Amino acid sequence: EIVLTQSPATLSLSPGERATLSCRASQSVSRYLAWYQQKPGQAPRLLIYDASIRATGIPARFSGSGSGTDFTLTISSLEPEDFAVYYCQQRSNWPPLTFGGGTKVEIK
Amino acid sequence: QVQLVQSGAEVKKPGSSLKVSCKTFGDTFSSYGISWVRQAPGQGLEWMGGIIPIFGTTNYAQKFQGRVTITADESTRTAYMELSTLRSEDTAMYYCARDPQMVRGLRAFDIWGQGTMVTVSS
Repeated sequence: EIVLTQSPATLSLSPGERATLSCRASQSVSRYLAWYQQKPGQAPRLLIYDASIRATGIPARFSGSGSGTDFTLTISSLEPEDFAVYYCQQRSNWPPLTFGGGTKVEIK
Repeated sequence: QVQLVQSGAEVKKPGSSLKVSCKTFGDTFSSYGISWVRQAPGQGLEWMGGIIPIFGTTNYAQKFQGRVTITADESTRTAYMELSTLRSEDTAMYYCARDPQMVRGLRAFDIWGQGTMVTVSS
């Protein structure tokens, strides 16, 4: 089973700042990594798939990069609605599909 | 607009079984995979398993093998997740999610249901 480790667990930032979230895989997942955003009381929403492709309707301030074992989600300038929990997920070697433990982006 | 609509909240006794439904509106059904993901209160996301209705093929996380059964009814565009021998640790929000890999080559869950809260308590 591929283990995904997200860091940091919590990121405290102000609106307008840049957020950089990390996801590290226990073995290579090629580029088959996705990022999701989840707000309280809501289902997750797909942001990025195949490491760097924005899903339909996702603003350009969200970008993904990486391959192999190290991946990054960047939010270039935080908007108030971006404060949420972010999860990465691998689709390379499954079952099982696995998720990271999440990074909470909170208002500083 | 595509929507996955799940059945309502449930309260179950330990040892009983659960069956949650997930109906697709607004798009084709059979060629898309449907996975089930759960989230315990305050915790992260956990994939349980999935199905591709057109083939009837299923995959399950080993953790749930023998306890979970995922099925699909193409005539009603509905997927089901059945979990048996419930215990308190199964208290969670259960989500269905669409997997478009076969149709569009997109390797991620692009549409999610609203979630079904399941509480297991005596």
